[in-house]
Amino acid sequence: EAGVTQSPTHLIKTRGQQATLRCSPISGHTSVYWYQQALGLGLQFLLWYDEGEERNRGNFPPRFSGRQFPNYSSELNVNALELEDSALYLCASSLGREPYEQYFGPGTRLTVT
Amino acid sequence: GQNIDQPTEMTATEGAIVQINCTYQTSGFNGLFWYQQHAGEAPTFLSYNVLDGLEEKGRFSSFLSRSKGYSYLLLKELQMKDSASYLCAVVDSNYQLIWGAGTKLIIKP
Repeated sequence: EAGVTQSPTHLIKTRGQQATLRCSPISGHTSVYWYQQALGLGLQFLLWYDEGEERNRGNFPPRFSGRQFPNYSSELNVNALELEDSALYLCASSLGREPYEQYFGPGTRLTVT
Repeated sequence: GQNIDQPTEMTATEGAIVQINCTYQTSGFNGLFWYQQHAGEAPTFLSYNVLDGLEEKGRFSSFLSRSKGYSYLLLKELQMKDSASYLCAVVDSNYQLIWGAGTKLIIKP
């Protein structure tokens, strides 16, 4: 069974640009979560999608947004990039909104210069 | 506010036992997860506790006391490959995972 996949693996952008990160969940999983992990720090919750709807978002500005498609894959968009957005962005999927375990993808390393 | 506390860093010796504590204050409780994260890699699931008591899984065990808002992860017969960060996460009343900052475990020969 294929795991959670994310693309691209690495992304280099300049300040002010926009970044789009993609995630495909494990087959059968309907919930997708996005996290930001700055170097040496813990996971910061960004967004949670389930069944195509945004269920919750973390304490991040509106320039962080996303969506979930009918096939449950998801996109994270970051507008007006700032230097401090440089981090590892992790996507995780789970079976649904119940407290099932989350399976993580390998992440996208975003570097803003 | 919601809060998860874990020690920042711990050091232990190969072959020994180590206990990593996690205390939490959250709006509601629907379970607690422990994850392992090696440097530069994604977190991987270790355990899930929703009822009080000890859950044993090989060399790893996880304990939960809901009345005390407390959990610990017990690692036995430590191996060098156990050097990693260990993340505690609590499921709140909205089914959102609240993550601790993680405990970096350093294993010495």
